[in-house]
Amino acid sequence: EAGVAQSPRYKIIEKRQSVAFWCNPISGHATLYWYQQILGQGPKLLIQFQNNGVVDDSQLPKDRFSAERLKGVDSTLKIQPAKLEDSAVYLCASSKGTTNTGELFFGEGSRLTVL
Amino acid sequence: SQELEQSPQSLIVQEGKNLTINCTSSKTLYGLYWYKQKYGEGLIFLMMLQKGGEEKSHEKITAKLDEKKQQSSLHITASQPSHAGIYLCGADTMDSNYQLIWGAGTKLIIKP
Repeated sequence: EAGVAQSPRYKIIEKRQSVAFWCNPISGHATLYWYQQILGQGPKLLIQFQNNGVVDDSQLPKDRFSAERLKGVDSTLKIQPAKLEDSAVYLCASSKGTTNTGELFFGEGSRLTVL
Repeated sequence: SQELEQSPQSLIVQEGKNLTINCTSSKTLYGLYWYKQKYGEGLIFLMMLQKGGEEKSHEKITAKLDEKKQQSSLHITASQPSHAGIYLCGADTMDSNYQLIWGAGTKLIIKP
């Protein structure tokens, strides 16, 4: 079974530029999560999708971050314009169920450096 | 302050020695999850605990949720280089609105 795929693995941009990250969850997983993990901290949930609907985006900085999962499969997270404090690893995870209890399957992450 | 506190922040252990990592919540835990992360990689699920007093093992790693369901400990017996990495606890609590909250992680280094 293929795992959660993320790309790109690494991205370096200058502040005020834009960037997009892509995630393809495990086949059949209804729920998809985007997390931001700043060095030395635990992951922070940015947005949770159930199929193609948003369950929780309360911590997504909507003035600069956007995410979509149009067909309920893969997802894109965009940052525009980027700030220095957006430097982090962006983790995508998926789960079979529709709640947060249970095992999450994580991708390897996309490491963003904003200069 | 963090809702989920992990201790220690980092740990250097001689290969073959035992070690314990703790995860303490300020709220009653509904579920406690242990994950392992290697540098530059995603998180790998280790185990989930839900009942007070519950104990689970995965190879040489054992985790327990205390009776009051506010603390979990993760114990590694006879540590090996493969155990090196960052151990993160995640939890859903009575206040987390079905979302997982995360500890900051414990960085484990195994000295050969």
